[in-house]
Amino acid sequence: EAGVAQSPRYKIIEKRQSVAFWCNPISGHATLYWYQQILGQGPKLLIQFQNNGVVDDSQLPKDRFSAERLKGVDSTLKIQPAKLEDSAVYLCASSLPGAGETQYFGPGTRLLVL
Amino acid sequence: RKEVEQDPGPFNVPEGATVAFNCTYSNSASQSFFWYRQDCRKEPKLLMSVYSSGNEDGRFTAQLNRASQYISLLIRDSKLSDSATYLCVVNDPGSQGNLIFGKGTKLSVKP
Repeated sequence: EAGVAQSPRYKIIEKRQSVAFWCNPISGHATLYWYQQILGQGPKLLIQFQNNGVVDDSQLPKDRFSAERLKGVDSTLKIQPAKLEDSAVYLCASSLPGAGETQYFGPGTRLLVL
Repeated sequence: RKEVEQDPGPFNVPEGATVAFNCTYSNSASQSFFWYRQDCRKEPKLLMSVYSSGNEDGRFTAQLNRASQYISLLIRDSKLSDSATYLCVVNDPGSQGNLIFGKGTKLSVKP
């Protein structure tokens, strides 16, 4: 079974530029998450989707971050404009719906903002 | 504040050693508990769920103490391949499946 796919794997941009990340979850997984993992920290949830609807975006910095999952399958996360402190790994995860379901992570996109 | 606190580490142990990691969580309403493993520059992967009665998976034993809001992971007979960061994870009660991750404890098993 194919896992969670993410692209690009690496991205280097200058501050104030825009960047977008793409995620394709495991087939059949209705729930999709975006996490930010700063070096030396655990992953921090940014946004959770259930199908194409947002369930929780309370920790998403909405002044610069946006995410969508228009058809309820793949998703994009955008940062505009990027700041130095956005340098991190952006992880996408998916799961079957319901509390306690295992989340499966993609390989992540490593972002460096210069 | 929703928090999961872990031993700072790093733990440097010889092969064959037994090592234990501890974790505390702040929200007593949490109901689901996990240990995830994250290899260097890789994504987190579920190692094991943690059940109230304690559970074992080969060389790995997880314990939960709800009264103390404390979770532990014991690794017996450490292997070189156990070298990784171990993340303590609890569910965010009131959310729909959201997880709260600790910062992780790095383990390095030496020959």
